Amino acid sequence: AQKVTQAQTEISVVEKEDVTLDCVYETRDTTYYLFWYKQPPSGELVFLIRRNSFDEQNEISGRYSWNFQKSTSSFNFTITASQVVDSAVYFCALRGGSSARQLTFGSGTQLTVLP
Amino acid sequence: NAGVTQTPKFRVLKTGQSMTLLCAQDMNHEYMYWYRQDPGMGLRLIHYSVGEGTTAKGEVPDGYNVSRLKKQNFLLGLESAAPSQTSVYFCASQIGGGVNTEAFFGQGTRLTVV
Repeated sequence: AQKVTQAQTEISVVEKEDVTLDCVYETRDTTYYLFWYKQPPSGELVFLIRRNSFDEQNEISGRYSWNFQKSTSSFNFTITASQVVDSAVYFCALRGGSSARQLTFGSGTQLTVLP
Repeated sequence: NAGVTQTPKFRVLKTGQSMTLLCAQDMNHEYMYWYRQDPGMGLRLIHYSVGEGTTAKGEVPDGYNVSRLKKQNFLLGLESAAPSQTSVYFCASQIGGGVNTEAFFGQGTRLTVV
């Protein structure tokens, strides 16, 4: 069975602060992918990144960066110099080798960036 | 490009009523999914389909039925709605069963059962 844990239910920061969203996962699969999605107040799910289990290099995309550590089963997401538009619910998800190939989601972290 | 389209976007049902949610994708994807999103629980898989004419149960299938008569459409039915089915429903599709495949999501259907 797969499991994704996002222990931070809600985070509130002031604009321009850096913020890290934690994600811890469990899987018995050796090949798997990890994903981050953003859900703004409008409700849609926006794909941010995917990372495969064999690639532990950190990734940076503008103000976003991701830290994948297989040794601790974590895939954390950092927003640098946060902006009000970053306010959203952020989901971490895992896809392993099940026949359904479905995504297993964490419970999400509500990020509020205050002006 | 339309991508994944869900119909309707909002609906209010009375307990015991039935309804069908439609998911349509124009990307020729094989795999399609129905998830429900509840506060504090993320998205949970209801049913899925790996191709036209096939369906299978996910994590929380009770109270729902599905059909995939055409490749581009995946229907989710509630035969007798219950207040516990108040949720936001998301449909997703992906091209195939690759572990790295990106899933494309619809905009969601907000269903309230009173």
